[in-house]
Amino acid sequence: QLQLQESGPGLVKPSETLSLTCTVSGDSISSGPYYWVWIRQPPGKGLEWIASIYHSGSSHYNPSHKGRVTISIDTAKNQFSLRLSSVTAADTAVYYCARDRRITGTTHWGQGTLVIVSS
Amino acid sequence: EIVLTQSPATLSLSPGERATLSCRASQSVSSFLAWYQHKPGQAPRLLISDASNRATGIPARFSGRGSGTDFTLTISRLEPEDFAVYYCQQRSNWPGFTFGPGTKVDLK
Repeated sequence: QLQLQESGPGLVKPSETLSLTCTVSGDSISSGPYYWVWIRQPPGKGLEWIASIYHSGSSHYNPSHKGRVTISIDTAKNQFSLRLSSVTAADTAVYYCARDRRITGTTHWGQGTLVIVSS
Repeated sequence: EIVLTQSPATLSLSPGERATLSCRASQSVSSFLAWYQHKPGQAPRLLISDASNRATGIPARFSGRGSGTDFTLTISRLEPEDFAVYYCQQRSNWPGFTFGPGTKVDLK
């Protein structure tokens, strides 16, 4: 059974870099035609796609983050990661990692991790 | 950028009633649209992919239809566990995608 688990600091200071890791278990991150994605939900707001990555390293980003985002993948560790630089209070959100496939949608999600940006 | 609009913002209904949720895209997304259910403190759950295909394990009371710019999610008879927020997601520029603002289905 596929499981995803987010990990990383729950508190980040303004202007610093937010770093999160998603650990995948129950399947190889290199298997299948899947993209591995990061999605977030600010408090009281809706869902926002941040970035997607394939096991080959091919990545895609939401242009609204203006180059602040980097997604990476480590197939040896069965993990993928998110880095968001120059954070502000607007980056406070629950961050989800998930698996996505073209024809079936975003089928598997982590439970989410709350990241607060505050000094 | 394709913008999704969902209506109504809130739908107040009783168990056993029919829920009809709308999602409209600012330009055609063909059938590349999915629906998700989201409850507080939980991860979103995929209900429908490609506008009308129920995901694995999703009850038959959930159905989706539409293509182009107008889509509908219908819950034929609301169960107590169906009260949640529902998001549509357009996937026409996959592997990128965008979500609508959500419709909250709450207890009347």
